Amino acid sequence: AQKITQTQPGMFVQEKEAVTLDCTYDTSDQSYGLFWYKQPSSGEMIFLIYQGSYDEQNATEGRYSLNFQKARKSANLVISASQLGDSAMYFCAMSEADSWGKFQFGAGTQVVVTP
Amino acid sequence: ETGVTQTPRHLVMGMTNKKSLKCEQHLGHNAMYWYKQSAKKPLELMFVYNFKEQTENNSVPSRFSPECPNSSHLFLHLHTLQPEDSALYLCASSHRTSGETGELFFGEGSRLTVL
Repeated sequence: AQKITQTQPGMFVQEKEAVTLDCTYDTSDQSYGLFWYKQPSSGEMIFLIYQGSYDEQNATEGRYSLNFQKARKSANLVISASQLGDSAMYFCAMSEADSWGKFQFGAGTQVVVTP
Repeated sequence: ETGVTQTPRHLVMGMTNKKSLKCEQHLGHNAMYWYKQSAKKPLELMFVYNFKEQTENNSVPSRFSPECPNSSHLFLHLHTLQPEDSALYLCASSHRTSGETGELFFGEGSRLTVL
């Protein structure tokens, strides 16, 4: 069964605006990690941000922040002040404590930033 | 020098050929992975190696044969592939401890086309 759900196949966002990418997950583990990756057209997967299940604060990395709502099992990525270079596929992923290293990925969201 | 290097970047092969994909990581990580990325599908975990030992084989057909001679190198040997095996093959590495795993660091991928 799919454990990571990304419901937005594609999004358009205007330059300098913020965009929120949705991610919900399914796990019965108490300990897990949530990750977001960016994949430009070149193919390389670039790590953006990490949230541990026990972290009480939402993770932030520069223009990226993760809106972690544990009870709702959601881990949405917020990109502030979008730039043209942010156009890419974005993947949400999870690694569970009982299978550390066995990352599971969502289907991805294609983001296109327009001038 | 990038952290995870994959060669070749592009490969076209016939169904009767034998070829190999190579991955090398320069990050001192102890775990390495092969993922398959097909069009319109989430990334699929194929194999996981931890300290050169295979810890995960995600029901991958035997026409894909991994090899991990040391913690820095990972190969994927290919033989008698099918056209549906055409995909982007991504190698990744991470640092794993007994309690958790760090984020995955990916290579740029090997784009495989099977004729």
